[in-house]
Amino acid sequence: DAGVTQSPTHLIKTRGQQVTLRCSPKSGHDTVSWYQQALGQGPQFIFQYYEEEERQRGNFPDRFSGHQFPNYSSELNVNALLLGDSALYLCASSLGGDGNGYTFGSGTRLTVV
Amino acid sequence: AQRVTQPEKLLSVFKGAPVELKCNYSYSGSPELFWYVQYSRQRLQLLLRHISRESIKGFTADLNKGETSFHLKKPFAQEEDSAMYYCALSGPRNTGFQKLVFGTGTRLLVSP
Repeated sequence: DAGVTQSPTHLIKTRGQQVTLRCSPKSGHDTVSWYQQALGQGPQFIFQYYEEEERQRGNFPDRFSGHQFPNYSSELNVNALLLGDSALYLCASSLGGDGNGYTFGSGTRLTVV
Repeated sequence: AQRVTQPEKLLSVFKGAPVELKCNYSYSGSPELFWYVQYSRQRLQLLLRHISRESIKGFTADLNKGETSFHLKKPFAQEEDSAMYYCALSGPRNTGFQKLVFGTGTRLLVSP
């Protein structure tokens, strides 16, 4: 079992562009959560998907959107990129949204120039 | 407001010394508390959770509801304990979908 896989591992984008990050959950997990980890900070919750619907959302602008597919994989989209969006984006999967059972991916390092 | 505070960015100790990584939290109700660890070039992983009352790799953490603290302790630090440690909380179990609220982390360096 490969656990949670994220792609790409690194990405460089220009201000104003749009980006899509991808996540495949651990086998048997049906819930995907996304976190943003800025340099020197702890991960911050962006949103969570279950049954292809957004179940919870953190304090992030509408520029951040997501999607979950029938196979439970998920995408995070960020529009109109700002320099401040540069961060490590982590995907975590769990079963039924159980906070006790999160498994994290290695993350996607996004740099906005 | 839900908040986790880790007052120390860096904790440096010698091998064999006791370790205590501090964590204080703010939450209306009874949260679930966790410690996550990230070793160099590895992904974030769960170290322990307060509901399990377990000891993992010699680490323990006691939930003190009066002081709203969940400090991580180990009596004798090992060099392989060097890592980034994050304290986190979520809502009570079986109350719906849970998100994790993380502290800013403490880097533990154990020197030989």
